[in-house]
Amino acid sequence: DQQVKQNSPSLSVQEGRISILNCDYTNSMFDYFLWYKKYPAEGPTFLISISSIKDKNEDGRFTVFLNKSAKHLSLHIVPSQPGDSAVYFCAATPRTPLVFGKGTRLSVIA
Amino acid sequence: GAGVSQSPSNKVTEKGKDVELRCDPISGHTALYWYRQRLGQGLEFLIYFQGNSAPDKSGLPSDRFSAERTGESVSTLTIQRTQQEDSAVYLCASSEWTGRNQPQHFGDGTRLSIL
Repeated sequence: DQQVKQNSPSLSVQEGRISILNCDYTNSMFDYFLWYKKYPAEGPTFLISISSIKDKNEDGRFTVFLNKSAKHLSLHIVPSQPGDSAVYFCAATPRTPLVFGKGTRLSVIA
Repeated sequence: GAGVSQSPSNKVTEKGKDVELRCDPISGHTALYWYRQRLGQGLEFLIYFQGNSAPDKSGLPSDRFSAERTGESVSTLTIQRTQQEDSAVYLCASSEWTGRNQPQHFGDGTRLSIL
């Protein structure tokens, strides 16, 4: 049973526009959420996180929104750049270890 | 080194053979994690080590899988009598401690292919 779901396996966005990546979770014990970015043949790299006591966290072009009642979070990238093309994983935890979604492949088209 | 180092980067072996995968965490990181990613799947937790505490082995899929860690240094993941379903990318990560707000830093993984 998947506790963290990324229902869109892929997403294409024009350079300069907004990319929105979505993630849903089922376990109400999850209270800390992270996004990781992965390029081919490399390990995932940490991007941004959010605690359940917040509903928004922003870091430069990246913003994560959390809707606890809907058990939904999203990652917004504005403006999108070609270098953002990668697979993005949503992860959640009540404690170590992390539970990951299957990832969304983002393609930013120049 | 500056990051988490894994070796080998690729490993091809025949079904039934044993394999050992190595992970060198970031110096000073007390927590070390192993994950695997099978084709089209997310990252699947296998095991983690925190300092000298007993490891959390709850994610190991079978008794063919085992892992060791020497102090707060190198870790080895061993798969005995490999099966084709063991084919995956095996990822190691480390963090300063196991607090949930400590980002895990990943190595580039070992791509394991079982023929």
